Amino acid sequence: QVQLQESGPGLVKSSQTLSLTCTVSGGSINGGSYYWNWIRQPAGKGLEWIGRIYTSGSTTYNPSLQSRVSISVDASKNQFSLNLTSVTAADTALYYCARDAAVAGSPWFAPWGQGLLVAVSS
Amino acid sequence: QSALTQPASVSGSPGQSITISCTGPSSDLGTSAFVSWYRQHPGKAPKLIIYDSTKRPSGISNRFSGSKSGNTASLTISGLQSEDEADYYCTSYTTANTLLFGGGTKLTVL
Repeated sequence: QVQLQESGPGLVKSSQTLSLTCTVSGGSINGGSYYWNWIRQPAGKGLEWIGRIYTSGSTTYNPSLQSRVSISVDASKNQFSLNLTSVTAADTALYYCARDAAVAGSPWFAPWGQGLLVAVSS
Repeated sequence: QSALTQPASVSGSPGQSITISCTGPSSDLGTSAFVSWYRQHPGKAPKLIIYDSTKRPSGISNRFSGSKSGNTASLTISGLQSEDEADYYCTSYTTANTLLFGGGTKLTVL
């Protein structure tokens, strides 16, 4: 079964770029029609969808983050990555990666990674 | 984009049924074909419990059911158990083809 695992620095300095990687195991990132997503959750708060990349490489981002976000895929490593530029304390959160079956009009996030806590320091 | 609206908290006693609502703009949730629901226990990643508004993934108890009417979706948990105490989130597409989560509902089993 497919499993996802986030990796990257747990501490990023303010104004710098947050870079995280999600490694997919148990299946090929190119195997089938899926969206590969990043979702975050500030401590004690709700979930916020950051964006996604399709198997073909096309991307869609949360409008509130669009100017600072980019998501890419490295099929040779079975990974996809998140870059978030110009971070502030408001970007401190638990970051999840998750797969979404690309069914029109139907969000379906499963499975999820275990999450990676990223703190932004001043 | 604003979050979908969920009650901040709901509670119920073991064996009872509870319903959590998820409301959004008719321009988004009203036209979005489907809603999915997730359960999140403390310190754990969210887990899919309902997709396509009414369907359960394999392995999810039939005590969980979903429905949708207009711009409101609902999650009902029957035969409440202590293990159901968790946070619950809904999600749907917007007309811009982006994803939106509800603010989350904390379920307390009394």
